[in-house]
Amino acid sequence: GQQLNQSPQSMFIQEGEDVSMNCTSSSIFNTWLWYKQEPGEGPVLLIALYKAGELTSNGRLTAQFGITRKDSFLNISASIPSDVGIYFCAGQLETSGSRLTFGEGTQLTVNP
Amino acid sequence: NAGVTQTPKFRILKIGQSMTLQCTQDMNHNYMYWYRQDPGMGLKLIYYSVGAGITDKGEVPNGYNVSRSTTEDFPLRLELAAPSQTSVYFCASRLRGYSNQPQHFGDGTRLSIL
Repeated sequence: GQQLNQSPQSMFIQEGEDVSMNCTSSSIFNTWLWYKQEPGEGPVLLIALYKAGELTSNGRLTAQFGITRKDSFLNISASIPSDVGIYFCAGQLETSGSRLTFGEGTQLTVNP
Repeated sequence: NAGVTQTPKFRILKIGQSMTLQCTQDMNHNYMYWYRQDPGMGLKLIYYSVGAGITDKGEVPNGYNVSRSTTEDFPLRLELAAPSQTSVYFCASRLRGYSNQPQHFGDGTRLSIL
């Protein structure tokens, strides 16, 4: 099956720092999505990207859909303590029921 | 708005027992999905459905069964629980036909097999 490699696995940063994480795939996707998961909850969608090369922002979050359609990155600027959580990338194809393939996640810790 | 509702939230089973994890959505979504998430890992697709009466296998279907008799409900059945099925199970749904419609997730069922 398709594999997504997400890095880094974990990050420990100080409040106010910028954060960058990325995902790469061995195959192309039609859509890239970034989710955040907090303890005891399901993933919550942060940003969705639908076109190769697309750059989209949501507040302090910015994500890009790679030109090759095999990669994506997520940046968080000026991090705050409530940014703590696990961030997942996911790739989606419109065939096969629009299934999602998830990365392994990036655990973000923000020290006040 | 209820969204995607999963029950129960927690359950402990003995090896060999069976149970059904319930999932219902009130958004009239065609597509529904079951994922499992092991500690420190991403979500892996177990089964999915593109509409009532239609189901298909995902990445890790072994040991599970599903049915989709209505648009709203998509139960996941474990027939003979095994320790390897200890995990957090998430149900999700999506509106068909629009590429910009994301999957909406429930809050999960935490299942331990002892």
